[in-house]
Amino acid sequence: QKEVEQDPGPLSVPEGAIVSLNCTYSNSAFQYFMWYRQYSRKGPELLMYTYSSGNKEDGRFTAQVDKSSKYISLFIRDSQPSDSATYLCATWRDKIIFGKGTRLHILP
Amino acid sequence: DTGVSQNPRHKITKRGQNVTFRCDPISEHNRLYWYRQTLGQGPEFLTYFQNEAQLEKSRLLSDRFSAERPKGSFSTLEIQRTEQGDSAMYLCASSPASVPGELFFGEGSRLTVL
Repeated sequence: QKEVEQDPGPLSVPEGAIVSLNCTYSNSAFQYFMWYRQYSRKGPELLMYTYSSGNKEDGRFTAQVDKSSKYISLFIRDSQPSDSATYLCATWRDKIIFGKGTRLHILP
Repeated sequence: DTGVSQNPRHKITKRGQNVTFRCDPISEHNRLYWYRQTLGQGPEFLTYFQNEAQLEKSRLLSDRFSAERPKGSFSTLEIQRTEQGDSAMYLCASSPASVPGELFFGEGSRLTVL
């Protein structure tokens, strides 16, 4: 079992819709959870960062961690074509462990 | 631009040749990471340095791969006797050690082995 599992998509939604991206992880000892965004031919960039359980909001983005079910979510409200990218969930153990990434397309 | 810089951006080589990639991290960051990414996959950890000390190497880093970070500044990743399976994007990232999980990535060096 991989340490971080993520559906690769692609996921296509119309502009303005709410997007829900999800991951699961295997090790209950993980405490730090991240979402990175990667545009085509670019390196990943940190989007959201959460410690332990709970929600964190930043503008149109909300990250959610449920440690009881080992589930990580990212919600994007009022999605824009510029949100089209690959979204990588990740956790931390002296290094970042990434999921496969979900390719997201926002249709104008 | 004070971000992470990687060179060359793209390298095409023949099987069996050696290649070297360079990474210049953000100057005040003491941690430096190398990752490898293939199409449709997330980045896979290769190795990381704290200053000049190489603290961890992945099993993915076979004996044909070597990384250095002399003087704790820039880093090089060398691949000897390249194979077609080495074709990938090699990503470098740096981090201030105080913030777990906050990595700043370069734009990557794409390797194509013919």
